[in-house]
Amino acid sequence: DAGVTQSPTHLIKTRGQQVTLRCSPKSGHDTVSWYQQALGQGPQFIFQYYEEEERQRGNFPDRFSGHQFPNYSSELNVNALLLGDSALYLCASIAQGENGWVYGYTFGSGTRLTVV
Amino acid sequence: AQSVTQPDIHITVSEGASLELRCNYSYGATPYLFWYVQSPGQGLQLLLKYFSGDTLVQGIKGFEAEFKRSQSSFNLRKPSVHWSDAAEYFCAVAPSGAGSYQLTFGKGTKLSVIP
Repeated sequence: DAGVTQSPTHLIKTRGQQVTLRCSPKSGHDTVSWYQQALGQGPQFIFQYYEEEERQRGNFPDRFSGHQFPNYSSELNVNALLLGDSALYLCASIAQGENGWVYGYTFGSGTRLTVV
Repeated sequence: AQSVTQPDIHITVSEGASLELRCNYSYGATPYLFWYVQSPGQGLQLLLKYFSGDTLVQGIKGFEAEFKRSQSSFNLRKPSVHWSDAAEYFCAVAPSGAGSYQLTFGKGTKLSVIP
């Protein structure tokens, strides 16, 4: 039981469409990050949200955007889908102390996005 | 920029045999270090992590890892592999300290177990 909930589990979209993926972090975690895992690869960092703002971003185009809500849940939006966006998208919620030091990352089971 | 190298793409071992998965990292200071396991179509499960202190870290499912600063390595070991250990294993690093959140992963090592 990871404690991080992602929806939907699977999704098929057509090239050019837009998609929204959702993540609810583990209870007590207020920071969420998103990762893209292409087939046969390790996960790659997309961005991270804290206090409803994007705090860090990886090397992904502006077609990838996100949002964090007051209840700490988060959305990942991808516009103008390309075939290469097909991947497993993972959400991680981050445990940190009052001093801001990170002491844990918990991943959800992911959303499998297929672009056709 | 930090990077992680897992030199073995695929390893096959017999059930009951010992296992060592290699991980080397590149980072300016001592990072946080992690090993995750992923079964097909699933998310990532944390096996163990190193933040500081004792360089030999014990994890779940009988796994352990040793941080060697001089070699920039964090190899994962298990003395006796079970068939259920067949999965993909990822080593990851993150900057230590406050406000650092980005995990950098290696490309993974797929473990196959022969009964």
